Amino acid sequence: ETGVTQSPTHLIKTRGQQVTLRCSSQSGHNTVSWYQQALGQGPQFIFQYYREEENGRGNFPPRFSGLQFPNYSSELNVNALELDDSALYLCASSLEGALNSPLHFGNGTRLTVT
Amino acid sequence: AQSVAQPEDQVNVAEGNPLTVKCTYSVSGNPYLFWYVQYPNRGLQFLLKYITGDNLVKGSYGFEAEFNKSQTSFHLKKPSALVSDSALYFCAVSPRRGGATNKLIFGTGTLLAVQP
Repeated sequence: ETGVTQSPTHLIKTRGQQVTLRCSSQSGHNTVSWYQQALGQGPQFIFQYYREEENGRGNFPPRFSGLQFPNYSSELNVNALELDDSALYLCASSLEGALNSPLHFGNGTRLTVT
Repeated sequence: AQSVAQPEDQVNVAEGNPLTVKCTYSVSGNPYLFWYVQYPNRGLQFLLKYITGDNLVKGSYGFEAEFNKSQTSFHLKKPSALVSDSALYFCAVSPRRGGATNKLIFGTGTLLAVQP
């Protein structure tokens, strides 16, 4: 069973730039969620994708966008980066329709905006 | 507003002693409840969940959690702590919606330090 994998592991960007983070879901899982974990905080829900469509969104501005592909992998895109976007970005996969399928997290991408 | 509170930033316990990490929540209805653990520079690992039924839930690595509906609490416990249990622990809730897990609301985390 292949777990959730994220790339890259670390990334440094400049304010105003754009970034794309990638996630491969665990085999057998059809739903991908993205979370932002700022230093010293708990993860905050960004959005979830199911059947290639956004299926729920947290309190994040539109410059945070995503995609899900037919193989259930996903991308998180952030435009016009701000310093406060510096955080650990976590991808999690699960099986929609399975009663309370727990989220399985990847190791995250550490984004630093300077 | 829906929220999860972990009142202790850090819990210190000696190896072999019992441990408790506290969690209370404020979510309408009957949410699903979870505990996750995070090791340095890693993602979160699922420990256990409460859906319904017995208030005492058993999970991975000898951990268990007690659900108390009247106190809206879901405290994590272990009878005998190990040094290797030292990590950051997160409580999370998922508002019930169509029987499927959607977004999780996390607490701010509690750092567990187990001294040898």
